[in-house]
Amino acid sequence: NAGVTQTPKFQVLKTGQSMTLQCAQDMNHEYMSWYRQDPGMGLRLIHYSVGAGITDQGEVPNGYNVSRSTTEDFPLRLLSAAPSQTSVYFCASKSWDTEAFFGQGTRLTVV
Amino acid sequence: AQSVTQLGSHVSVSEGALVLLRCNYSSSVPPYLFWYVQYPNQGLQLLLKYTTGATLVKGINGFEAEFKKSETSFHLTKPSAHMSDAAEYFCAVHTGKLIFGQGTTLQVKP
Repeated sequence: NAGVTQTPKFQVLKTGQSMTLQCAQDMNHEYMSWYRQDPGMGLRLIHYSVGAGITDQGEVPNGYNVSRSTTEDFPLRLLSAAPSQTSVYFCASKSWDTEAFFGQGTRLTVV
Repeated sequence: AQSVTQLGSHVSVSEGALVLLRCNYSSSVPPYLFWYVQYPNQGLQLLLKYTTGATLVKGINGFEAEFKKSETSFHLTKPSAHMSDAAEYFCAVHTGKLIFGQGTTLQVKP
């Protein structure tokens, strides 16, 4: 039982490049979500999903895409990276009455 | 609309003093409420949660929180602060989506 697996741990991108952050969970959780963490701003919700085939926007969705083709996987795509997307990203999954389980985080730098 | 507000981005207490971190939420449906702690360069660790049942919830490391529906609050307390409690604390609410407050940094002075 691996929990939530998030990759990569570190990434440096050039402005305009695209990339995908991977997130997978093996707990059969319906709910998954992506956050970015910036100093003084807490964790801000980017996108979330309440089940396979269902996604919705969070607080800061611009510049990011998601899909949920299976219960297990919830990748986050940066379409054209910008310096403002430099941040630490966390993936999370949960059932409705449990706490969230988090990935290890991805430290992304866009230069 | 669902929201979470943590009052005070920085709280400083002396070792042995009461810790009180404030959290207010807005939600149109009964929420699930959580407190997490984050130590520098680490991930988030669950302190405690409220889903249903008893409104006074006890968590790890001597922390507790009380769900007060009439005040839409879920404040976190600890009777006596330890140096090891210095960290950032996040309140979170889950209705249709899980959202977090902006965090409160707790400083503990010797």
